[in-house]
Amino acid sequence: SAVISQKPSRDICQRGTSLTIQCQVDSQVTMMFWYRQQPGQSLTLIATANQGSEATYESGFVIDKFPISRPNLTFSTLTVSNMSPEDSSIYLCSATQGTGNQPQHFGDGTRLSIL
Amino acid sequence: GDSVTQMEGPVTLSEEAFLTINCTYTATGYPSLFWYVQYPGEGLQLLLKATKADDKGSNKGFEATYRKETTSFHLEKGSVQVSDSAVYFCALSDSSGGTSYGKLTFGQGTILTVHP
Repeated sequence: SAVISQKPSRDICQRGTSLTIQCQVDSQVTMMFWYRQQPGQSLTLIATANQGSEATYESGFVIDKFPISRPNLTFSTLTVSNMSPEDSSIYLCSATQGTGNQPQHFGDGTRLSIL
Repeated sequence: GDSVTQMEGPVTLSEEAFLTINCTYTATGYPSLFWYVQYPGEGLQLLLKATKADDKGSNKGFEATYRKETTSFHLEKGSVQVSDSAVYFCALSDSSGGTSYGKLTFGQGTILTVHP
């Protein structure tokens, strides 16, 4: 199964700043996703990162707030822009190598706190 | 749309007790079903999966059977250990090829604490 590395693993940021999270997979994958996990909650899908084209965002998430890049089949970034305390969450990257019945594999997440 | 409902937590057990965490789903397509586990401070790890009706997924003593007639995928383990303390998530993936193809829908998670 794919091994996924995320960095940074955690950060504390000031209100109004932006942070870019990187996700690196050790093999080529067909689909990559970004999730948010608010404290004590389940995971919510932010967007599907599409290789070479714009990401597909879920309802409630917009590109201006969460710009995503995916320049190749092994790497993606998520930027959290103009941060506020409500953005304090764990952000997780996942990837899958196949069809819809293949599992997604997750990175360890980025724990983000906004002061 | 698709949805997953897990039993309310937290669940607290003594070591060697029997574990059941209930999971039911609603889906319009032909979902694959998964259990993921999240240990404190870590990301999600795949625990087991089942891709069609009557399939049984198993791993590390955990089992779950894909029951299409009851739309359920309950997680069971015969004898839990302290090291099983974690948050468990049931999830489904739409395999039917529509706009939700490949996306995971998660349940709310169940916190399991096992005492010695």
